[in-house]
Amino acid sequence: DVKVTQSSRYLVKRTGEKVFLECVQDMDHENMFWYRQDPGLGLRLIYFSYDVKMKEKGDIPEGYSVSREKKERFSLILESASTNQTSMYLCASSLLQGFHGYTFGSGTRLTVV
Amino acid sequence: AQTVTQSQPEMSVQEAETVTLSCTYDTSESDYYLFWYKQPPSRQMILVIRQEAYKQQNATENRFSVNFQKAAKSFSLKISDSQLGDAAMYFCAYRTLRGSQGNLIFGKGTKLSVKP
Repeated sequence: DVKVTQSSRYLVKRTGEKVFLECVQDMDHENMFWYRQDPGLGLRLIYFSYDVKMKEKGDIPEGYSVSREKKERFSLILESASTNQTSMYLCASSLLQGFHGYTFGSGTRLTVV
Repeated sequence: AQTVTQSQPEMSVQEAETVTLSCTYDTSESDYYLFWYKQPPSRQMILVIRQEAYKQQNATENRFSVNFQKAAKSFSLKISDSQLGDAAMYFCAYRTLRGSQGNLIFGKGTKLSVKP
């Protein structure tokens, strides 16, 4: 089974802190994604990557950056955390194309105080 | 740009009964994939069922089946013999065949409650 592992299930950070959310997948998937999930808004794409060192902005990239130095790891960085970034963050991976959908991690619930 | 709409924010079903969750989408493409994902309280998103647009036959996975109406751009999920473990958020999603990225586009979800 493909596994997508997010390093933290719950995280509490202070306003202004630099925050790293880590995601690792173990099935050699090309694509990796970071989503933010908020009640009533569904899943919104922050950033995605389809290759090492490649990154593309999603729908809501402001206030975030990403890093993909190795194929299996995709990090989401909050440069200066703000309270409006309190949310559930979901990482996912997939093959480049095809009838496979995504495999998701268990999510990180981030609270910025 | 493609959009996915789930018009029912919440639904409820009695255990052992059947429930149908609605999903419509907007696209100008002729070939694409459609998915239903389940997110239980544990938060792990799980793929429930998927459909290739070029296949007319509706996909089925055990108690889960879809009603895919391509012309109407409708992709509803039917859950038969509902069980307490079916209680979850359900997300409909669209994936293009074009481009190397093939990002999934999600609806806003339907929260399903199952009454014992």
